[in-house]
Amino acid sequence: ETGVTQTPRHLFMGMTNKKSLKCEQHLGHNAMYWYKQSAKKPLELMFVYNFKEQTENNSVPSRFSPECPNSSHLFLHLHTLQPEDSALYLCASSQEGGTGAEKLFFGSGTQLSVL
Amino acid sequence: GQNIDQPTEMTATEGAIVQINCTYQTSGFNGLFWYQQHAGEAPTFLSYNVLDGLEEKGRFSSFLSRSKGYSYLLLKELQMKDSASYLCAVRDRDYKLSFGAGTTVTVRA
Repeated sequence: ETGVTQTPRHLFMGMTNKKSLKCEQHLGHNAMYWYKQSAKKPLELMFVYNFKEQTENNSVPSRFSPECPNSSHLFLHLHTLQPEDSALYLCASSQEGGTGAEKLFFGSGTQLSVL
Repeated sequence: GQNIDQPTEMTATEGAIVQINCTYQTSGFNGLFWYQQHAGEAPTFLSYNVLDGLEEKGRFSSFLSRSKGYSYLLLKELQMKDSASYLCAVRDRDYKLSFGAGTTVTVRA
């Protein structure tokens, strides 16, 4: 148990569907992240939120839309996805203090399959 | 962009020692992390190095040489539960974190 909970664990969706991934952290952290993990590839940072404000968007297609209503919750809204978007989507949180030593706490991820 | 290299796979026997190397080329350096990820589970933090040298934590140790852009994770007295993927990650001068593709370690009986 890492203190970061993601739902659902598995998601199958068609290319025309709309779905949302949910993440909740119980650690009191001030930063939350979405990462994409594809087989045999490095973790790709998608979005970063600090104190609920989006501070980073790594050229992610607009079919992925993040939402951070408060510092404990993070959503990733999905619509009109492509088969190449099939991957494990990981949420993470950290307590950012500017030292560089801050470690990430990850959720177990949502395994997304786009059919 | 940042470049972080680590071997794709390694296999070792229970009770043995395995060393996972990580080389990096980044714009500046502000620390290197190792994470462990069991299949279907969340990555979890193992170690952090920002100064040169060896950090020991039980059966696991991590080494850093900033001048060589090189780190290794040493797993001693391997156990079956150590079968997992090990991720190397580096913070650059802007504190951005980049990950390697991970090394899958398989421990055989």
